[in-house]
Amino acid sequence: SSELTQDPAVSVALGQTVSITCQGDSLRSYYASWYQQKPGQAPILVIYGKNNRPSGIPDRFSGSSSGTTTSLTITGAQAEDEADYYCHSRDTSGNHLLLFGGGTKLSVL
Amino acid sequence: QLQLQESGPGLVKPSETLSLTCNVSGGSISSRIYYWAWIRQSPGKGLEWIGSIYYRGSTYYSPSLKSRVTISIDTSKNQFSLQLNSVTAADTAVYYCARRGGQWDNIDYWGQGSLVTVSS
Repeated sequence: SSELTQDPAVSVALGQTVSITCQGDSLRSYYASWYQQKPGQAPILVIYGKNNRPSGIPDRFSGSSSGTTTSLTITGAQAEDEADYYCHSRDTSGNHLLLFGGGTKLSVL
Repeated sequence: QLQLQESGPGLVKPSETLSLTCNVSGGSISSRIYYWAWIRQSPGKGLEWIGSIYYRGSTYYSPSLKSRVTISIDTSKNQFSLQLNSVTAADTAVYYCARRGGQWDNIDYWGQGSLVTVSS
């Protein structure tokens, strides 16, 4: 089976732009989706597919991918964006096996 | 609006079986384009996929948990369930049920999560 790798922690100054990356072999074949999780809450979907946002997600969130790397970018980070972010995709070893990245804790300074 | 709600004991003894049920409301569990998943999160840790089930009963399990996990579905009650046997303290976690699939193959709905503590 494969895995998805994320940096454990990233920080950004208020109003600046930050990218959170996720690497894994399965990303050559499958789109990733990104989830935001705040303390004590369930994760919520923020980016899916090529670069799609669910209704209600601010347009400062965007996604991109290249090869085995997918990225979540927040343009003009806000204090409320401070959270854990997880990437998610399928495993290359089986169509219905799923993976999560280890998560990235985003601090907005 | 689809809603998922986990229910089950919050405390399980070591070596016993953890059992949770996810009630789905606001939509049919028999949808052909979605799978129903269990995901857990140990305290202070990341998300871990446990397994998924299709409405027809096909199941898919994490290789690391496969020997101890059973996921089942009851379409008549619009709910699906998780059983994890021979639990240890390492199985203490918040357990989420979720819906996955659709055109973009993502998890679009999550339950609020159910904390299960394994302790004697």
